[in-house]
Formats: sequence, structure tokens, C-alpha cells
Amino acid sequence: DAKTTQPPSMDCAEGRAANLPCNHSTISGNEYVYWYRQIHSQGPQYIIHGLKNNETNEMASLIITEDRKSSTLILPHATLRDTAVYYCIVRVIKAAGNKLTFGGGTRVLVKP
Amino acid sequence: KAGVTQTPRYLIKTRGQQVTLSCSPISGHRSVSWYQQTPGQGLQFLFEYFSETQRNKGNFPGRFSGRQFSNSRSEMNVSTLELGDSALYLCASSTGQGALGANVLTFGAGSRLTVL
Repeated sequence: DAKTTQPPSMDCAEGRAANLPCNHSTISGNEYVYWYRQIHSQGPQYIIHGLKNNETNEMASLIITEDRKSSTLILPHATLRDTAVYYCIVRVIKAAGNKLTFGGGTRVLVKP
Repeated sequence: KAGVTQTPRYLIKTRGQQVTLSCSPISGHRSVSWYQQTPGQGLQFLFEYFSETQRNKGNFPGRFSGRQFSNSRSEMNVSTLELGDSALYLCASSTGQGALGANVLTFGAGSRLTVL
């Protein structure tokens, strides 16, 4: 699986958009980008994933650059409940199932 | 629908003992995977079971083992506990196949183990 690089921490103002970057310069053509988050003392929560097109769901948007070497997770209107550690994971879909590698993630603090 | 249920939520053991943790996946999910989370090492993959067979295994010693039953419920066991085994043990379930199912996991709240 390709390695990902994320900033260790970032602050965001409540109500503003939070843009979380992720670098995955060694990504291969069949690897997807997945985002999870972990709110303190809870299990990680799946947010979104994509291959090469931008994706949007009720939680967030995922913007993947044309060369696929980086991506940005966008939380459109951050709330205090979005304070969490956000993990960017690159993973190929394998018939042999999952073995996700969580890096250090980005610790996001949403401030009032 | 009910989420992933892990029991017990908290437990305290002493060195040398063994522990068994249980995980009930979301109904219909055939894949169950286990992760260990510690402040120093972060989230680390332990193993994954799919249809009662271990399909993937992380880099943990043989003291860590697991199994999956025909109803997809899973247990993990840690024998001869060491202080370093103190951690949050997370279970996750998925359908186990396809783009959405292979790597889109639903996690439980975890079992927090303290080894004294």
C-alpha cells in the first residue's frame, strides 16, 4: 500500500470549512483513497473513499488531484463534534480482504 | 440496525493471565477484523476473519489469536499477558468483498484492557 503523509494537527473555526490535506505521491492506479476519523475514546468511523473522481456524501467531500498524488478531505461546515483524528489511507481492493494501515493522522481541533 | 458490539468494554488483568474478547458484527457482515490501539504505536492490525477463516494477519506474536464462528461472531484471545498488552482492542466488521465492503469498516467501541 502506498504511504500517506498528513500534517499532525490543525485548527479550524466552527462553521467554517475544514480542508484536510493528504499526500500519497506513490499511489498506484488501482489504489483507492479512504478517510476515517476517530473521535476521542471511540472506534474509527468511515467517512468517504474515492479512486480518481471527486466524491461527496453527507459527511464530507473528497477532492483528488488529477495526478492522484494528493487529496483533500473537506468538511464543509465544521462543528465542535468534528474534533477528531482524521486518517487518510491508501489501499488496493483485494479479494483477500482488508488490512488497513493507520498512520498518525491529523488531529483536528474545531474551535468556537 | 445494530452496530458492532464488543464485550467487555473494560477489564483489568494481571501479568501472566489470559483474556478473551468478544465481537458481534453487523448482521450480514462476514468479515471481522481486530486492531490494537496504544498511545505509542497507534492503531495496528491484528488479524481478519472471513467466513470462519483467518484471511489476513498482522505482525503480532502467537500469544494473540482469534477465531470466528459460523454466525460471524468473533473472539480474540491473548495468553500470558504482558504489561505492554494494555491497550484498546477494536473490532470492525464489513461485508468483506468489493470496493465498498473490502475496506469500509464499521468499528465497535472497543474493549479497554489494563494489565497490572
